[in-house]
Amino acid sequence: EVQLVESGGGLVQPGGSLRLSCSASGFSFSSYVMHWVRQAPGKGLEYVSAISSNGDSTYYADSVKGRFTISRDNSKNTLYLQMSSLRAEDTAVYYCVKIDAMVPGYWGQGTLVTVSS
Amino acid sequence: DIVMTQSPDSLAVSLGERATINCKSSQSVLFTTNNKNYLAWFQQRPGQSPKLLIYWASTRESGVPDRFSGSGSGTDFTLTISSLQAEDVAVYYCQQYYGTPWTFGQGTKVEIK
Repeated sequence: EVQLVESGGGLVQPGGSLRLSCSASGFSFSSYVMHWVRQAPGKGLEYVSAISSNGDSTYYADSVKGRFTISRDNSKNTLYLQMSSLRAEDTAVYYCVKIDAMVPGYWGQGTLVTVSS
Repeated sequence: DIVMTQSPDSLAVSLGERATINCKSSQSVLFTTNNKNYLAWFQQRPGQSPKLLIYWASTRESGVPDRFSGSGSGTDFTLTISSLQAEDVAVYYCQQYYGTPWTFGQGTKVEIK
């Protein structure tokens, strides 16, 4: 069974940093592109970032480019999102997502990041 | 980026009645090489992560009740709940995975009338 478990969220001050993790199990993690999607409280879904299976290629939404870094450790079956220079508008639940034959079918339960002083 | 626009923003339907949600993309999400529409529908209940209902515009995910159906092609798509049940109260999102970045509709809130 595919499982994606996010962690690392919490309260951080504007300008601060936080690293999110997504622990994956139930599939061959090193074979899949992985994604981060976020959802601000009471709002819709926003695509954040993606990383290729070997980590060589990454993508960032314009809203986080230059501030967030996606990475992965295939030996630990873990996906990361390093977030820096955080802003109030980064407050959201962050989901890691695995695709299956192109379809974004597997979502974690999410981890809440709150940026506030 | 491909813009996804859903309508309506919300709707209230009586139990057992039909609910219809529309989704329009700013450009076609039909990949002509394989004749597949890269369009998914998700259900999100309060406090839960999005749940995949429909992919390739009309393929129901395993375990999803058959009262949920998807249709459409190119730029215009529809999610239909044929007989609304109490557990269907949720926000529904369409999403295109044709291009990067994935983009989502703004969501449609479905309630019981």
